[in-house]
Formats: sequence, C-alpha cells, structure tokens
Amino acid sequence: ETGVTQTPRHLVMGMTNKKSLKCEQHLGHNAMYWYKQSAKKPLELMFVYSLEERVENNSVPSRFSPECPNSSHLFLHLHTLQPEDSALYLCASSQGSRTSSSYEQYFGPGTRLTVT
Amino acid sequence: KNQVEQSPQSLIILEGKNCTLQCNYTVSPFSNLRWYKQDTGRGPVSLTIMTFSENTKSNGRYTATLDADTKQSSLHITASQLSDSASYICVVIASGGSYIPTFGRGTSLIVHP
Repeated sequence: ETGVTQTPRHLVMGMTNKKSLKCEQHLGHNAMYWYKQSAKKPLELMFVYSLEERVENNSVPSRFSPECPNSSHLFLHLHTLQPEDSALYLCASSQGSRTSSSYEQYFGPGTRLTVT
Repeated sequence: KNQVEQSPQSLIILEGKNCTLQCNYTVSPFSNLRWYKQDTGRGPVSLTIMTFSENTKSNGRYTATLDADTKQSSLHITASQLSDSASYICVVIASGGSYIPTFGRGTSLIVHP
C-alpha cells in the first residue's frame, strides 16, 4: 500500500444527497490533492492543499467543497451532484508545498462514485 | 494550450515480449515528466520522474527516455509480465510557481500468457 487511504471505496448517491469522501495519509507529507478520473478522460486536478493553503481548479463546480483540517486528513464534501460527476475520485499526498513541483506523489486507491 | 498525447491508446502483447509506449507534449515551461502505472481499481503508482537534464531513467524493467528538444518521452518495458497489464499514464508538470499537471489519457496495456 502507498500510505494513503480513502473511504469509502464505493459510494452510490442520489442527486439530492450530501456525502463526504475522506482521505488520510500516513507519510508525514504536507501537501494533499484531490483528483477526478472519468472514463476515457485524463486525470483532472481539483484541489491542492499545502501548508493549510488551498489552491483550486477554477473549473470545479461549487457542489464540490474540500476541507483540510490538518496535514494528514482531507475531505471532499459533495452536495446536489449530477450524473456526470460519476467518476473515480483520487486523493494523493506529497512532500513539499504546492510550489515545489518535483516531489513524488503517492495516490490512494480512490473512491468510485456513482450519482443516480 | 498545454497538452499531453499518448500512443498507442491500447496495446496487447505476449508475455515475455518488449514494448514501448509514447508520450508527446506541448507543455511549457517544462519542469518534469512522470510516468505512472495504474492497475484496475487502484490509484496510480509512480514509475519515474524525469527533469529537463535527464535523458534516461530506469526502474527495474521499466526504462523511460526524455527528449526535451522534441518534447517526446517513451516508456520501454522489457520482458513483459502478466502483472504489467495496466494503464500507463504520462504526466507533464509545468514550472512557474504552482503545481500545474497535464495528464495524458493513458495507454492500456494487456499482457497475454
């Protein structure tokens, strides 16, 4: 295992539900990331948290809301999602800050989300 | 616009054979290029990270090359094994103050016995 865990591994939710994805890293890293992986599309960076600073991809809809209470935990809060949001959501962590682009990233196994 | 194109989209080879995957990019300014292996149902795992000055880097049976002039990279797999069946993703990171990745769509490799 990579030292990055994600729960739940699978989630099915209706469009009116509210749910949260959780990520935890046991590597002592200080940067964490959320990615979206849709079928037949490249990985898409959604959010970066580094040293408690947040950077986001401006194209991510507001129905996705990240939270990073400390350097080891990262959440992705979901509300009023659409069917096209069904995808694999991956969490990753790395050493260094968001401005240090050379550090290796370690990915979790992902949460397979299905929106009905 | 920054882009990463991978080829082929999918590849089927017999166990024990070699293969080469390609990655062409237009990302600028360049910081580094990464190859990841992603098994079905799992997150990507890093194989190599290459900076501008590195031409070749190996990780076991995986050898990555980088030609920064032509903006091309390749991943060569030697003596393939059934466990090499996976998606291989090329990622190019731009420099300039923030982490800015551009991902390819990946090459799906199937190794048959």
